[in-house]
Parts: sequence; C-alpha cells; structure tokens
Amino acid sequence: EVQLLESGGGLVEPGESLRLSCAASGITFNNYAITWVRQTPGKGLELVSGISGRGDNTYYAESVMGRFTISKDNSKNTVYLQMNSLRAEDTAVYFCAKDRWLGITGTFDYWGQGTLVTVSS
Amino acid sequence: QSVLTQPPSESGTPGQIITISCSGSSSNIGINTVNWYRQLPGTAPKLLIYSNTQRPSGVPDRFSGSKSGTSASLAISGLQSEDEADYYCAAWDDNLNGVLFGGGTRLTVL
Repeated sequence: EVQLLESGGGLVEPGESLRLSCAASGITFNNYAITWVRQTPGKGLELVSGISGRGDNTYYAESVMGRFTISKDNSKNTVYLQMNSLRAEDTAVYFCAKDRWLGITGTFDYWGQGTLVTVSS
Repeated sequence: QSVLTQPPSESGTPGQIITISCSGSSSNIGINTVNWYRQLPGTAPKLLIYSNTQRPSGVPDRFSGSKSGTSASLAISGLQSEDEADYYCAAWDDNLNGVLFGGGTRLTVL
C-alpha cells in the first residue's frame, strides 16, 4: 500500500523558516516524482515544488522561487521542503503528492493527508 | 495569467448524468493532457481521470473524461449522494512551465 506521510507544519512568524518532510512507503522511491501542492481557501490548489524520481530535475512555483528548496534522501525514502523567509501568503495546507511518472507531470495519483502551515505574527 | 476555468458549482439529482467543464487555452489544455481530481471535505484530493480519459484502478466507470480543443469535461453518470465533493481539473501549462489547477467545482446532489 502506497503511503505518504507529511510532517513539519506549524505556526511561525513572518520571516521564519520551516522544513516539511514527506516519508513515502510502498513505492520504488526513485521511480516517481514527488511534489508539494498547497491549498488555500482563496487561491485553491497550487503546485509549489517538485523533484523528479532521479532527483535531477526540480520545479518551483514563481511565488516561492529563491525561498523554498526541495530535496530528497533516497536512504530514507523522504522528500523535504525547506521553506525560508515565510510570508503570510504561504499560509496553507501543504500536501505531498506522488506523480504517476518519473518526471513532474501533474498526474498525482497518491496524496498525503496534508500538514498545515500558518505564518502569522 | 494562465487559468483553467470551471463553474463554481453544479448540482444534480440521484441517478442523473452531470458534466463539469474546464476551459483553458492553447498553452495548457490545447496541447497537454487533462487530469481530474475529486476532493471530499477534510481530505486530500484523489486522482479521478488522467490523460484526458483514463481512469486509475478502482475508479468506477461512472466517471469519464473528454477533451476537445482547449476545453475538457468530466462526466458523472448514475449520480450518487457520495459524489458530493469538489472537483478540480489540472493541466500542464507551457507558458507557466508548471501545472495549472482549475478553481474547482462544488457538486451538490439534491
């Protein structure tokens, strides 16, 4: 059974940092891209970042470029999203989502339960 | 700004066939495939249709997808009360070089 388990969300003040983790099980980790999709009531769903199965290709939304960094640890089957210089508009539920393919295509066939990130003073 | 446009809401009665539309442009739906997701309240989205018309294992054949030009549609036949959910279309956008999601359609089963 494929499972994606996110952790690391919480309440932080503007300008602070958080690191989200997505631990995957039940898949051959290197065969699939893993992404982070966030959801807010106002802006809906947004692909924030992604990393290909081989780790040789990454994606960042323009809204987070230069502030967020995605990485993966193959020994732990885990993808990380380091979020720096957080802003109020980064407040959202962050989902980890597995792509159906090796590259980032937007075909997300498994999702984690989501972790809430709140940026507020 | 590239966008995928969906109606904010649709409704139907049990047993009915309903369709949800998704309108895009030449940089997204016009040249790339469309995926559909369903999200029940308080849960993560679930892949319903991929590559315009394909159903992942376990998705009933009551759900079908189609695409024509720069628009796509999701059809649900034999509507059931448990189909009440938010439905999102998504497609890669070549201008954005990323995935675009539609704004979502809330389906109500009367």
